[in-house]
Amino acid sequence: DGGITQSPKYLFRKEGQNVTLSCEQNLNHDAMYWYRQDPGQGLRLIYYSQIVNDFQKGDIAEGYSVSREKKESFPLTVTSAQKNPTAFYLCASSIRAGGLYEQYFGPGTRLTVT
Amino acid sequence: LAKTTQPISMDSYEGQEVNITCSHNNIATNDYITWYQQFPSQGPRFIIQGYKTKVTNEVASLFIPADRKSSTLSLPRVSLSDTAVYYCLVDDIGNAGNNRKLIWGLGTSLAVNP
Repeated sequence: DGGITQSPKYLFRKEGQNVTLSCEQNLNHDAMYWYRQDPGQGLRLIYYSQIVNDFQKGDIAEGYSVSREKKESFPLTVTSAQKNPTAFYLCASSIRAGGLYEQYFGPGTRLTVT
Repeated sequence: LAKTTQPISMDSYEGQEVNITCSHNNIATNDYITWYQQFPSQGPRFIIQGYKTKVTNEVASLFIPADRKSSTLSLPRVSLSDTAVYYCLVDDIGNAGNNRKLIWGLGTSLAVNP
């Protein structure tokens, strides 16, 4: 059963704490992405990785960090430096490039920071 | 800066054809256009992708004029279950490097009424 999983579905944290969101895929995809979505808003790219051990900042990388030590995993850490961390976070994966392809999205993690 | 623009919302009735247009005036030669569907609290799901002219699959058609400055997603005979947010994405999918361009629209909220 191939797919992309995110855990947990809901996450609550106190202000000032770092928190790590999990994203795992078994689709053998090289590329992985993290997006943030706020109520009524579109998707904003945080980070993406085209290959293991390499990743690039997206449009809103400040206050976030990632790692890509394994092809299957692309965890996102929301640091205390992120001013408005409460949001819906979506992870996606795809083939790296070329041809017609689609991004496969996980179910998302809803993070609430109080 | 490249940008994609789409209507904020649309209303329709069951059985009608719905056309959602996305404007992308600064689209580049290497860019493809992809449409995604998103239900509340879920990750987006791929609908259709194209480069030029017309693409059709089992759920939708995508019309792209010769100048490629816009694209129209066509949903034939919508049902209540098509009520969702539809996103347009301009993406240089052939770029395997570290300067990927992913330009998402803000989404069109489609309401299908009985």
